[in-house]
Amino acid sequence: DGGITQSPKYLFRKEGQNVTLSCEQNLNHDAMYWYRQDPGQGLRLIYYSQIVNDFQKGDIAEGYSVSREKKESFPLTVTSAQKNPTAFYLCASSFRVWDTEAFFGQGTRLTVV
Amino acid sequence: RKEVEQDPGPFNVPEGATVAFNCTYSNSASQSFFWYRQDCRKEPKLLMSVYSSGNEDGRFTAQLNRASQYISLLIRDSKLSDSATYLCVVNNQGGKLIFGQGTELSVKP
Repeated sequence: DGGITQSPKYLFRKEGQNVTLSCEQNLNHDAMYWYRQDPGQGLRLIYYSQIVNDFQKGDIAEGYSVSREKKESFPLTVTSAQKNPTAFYLCASSFRVWDTEAFFGQGTRLTVV
Repeated sequence: RKEVEQDPGPFNVPEGATVAFNCTYSNSASQSFFWYRQDCRKEPKLLMSVYSSGNEDGRFTAQLNRASQYISLLIRDSKLSDSATYLCVVNNQGGKLIFGQGTELSVKP
């Protein structure tokens, strides 16, 4: 089945540690996105990528890094520089950047302990 | 000013009611528009795209007003299962999908 998969579903991290969230899609989509959602809030864009080896900062990129070495994969690293990393992280992809819907993974809940 | 702003919620309505959500966007060059539905602690899922001519899908009607830069979602004959958060989404030039903060709907028996 085609889809977009995030892993892990739940992740606990100690303060000061970097952690990488996985996002894989087999939909042959060009564009991929990372969003963060805090309780009772909307989605805020962290990074997005339109094609392989290209990505752009979103509205809250500080403390995060990404790579897009393969079309199917867009991992997000939450670094120790991110001051408040506890949140629900959502990855999405779309076939074309401009005018098509985005499909979401099931999300990763990151908790800093 | 936020790029995408929605009606503040929550909306509490009885079953069978008609409810309307509004959303405004600031970038006049925005390319495409969507309504997503998000259930509690789940990922957002597309409810419907919004076209300039307006579009309807069963009990749901979406409208776009480019001149005033707003979109709307109308839900008729609301069901208990319609309870969720509704997210307005705008696709700007450059490929950024911008989400509104969401409007929570609670349909009561």
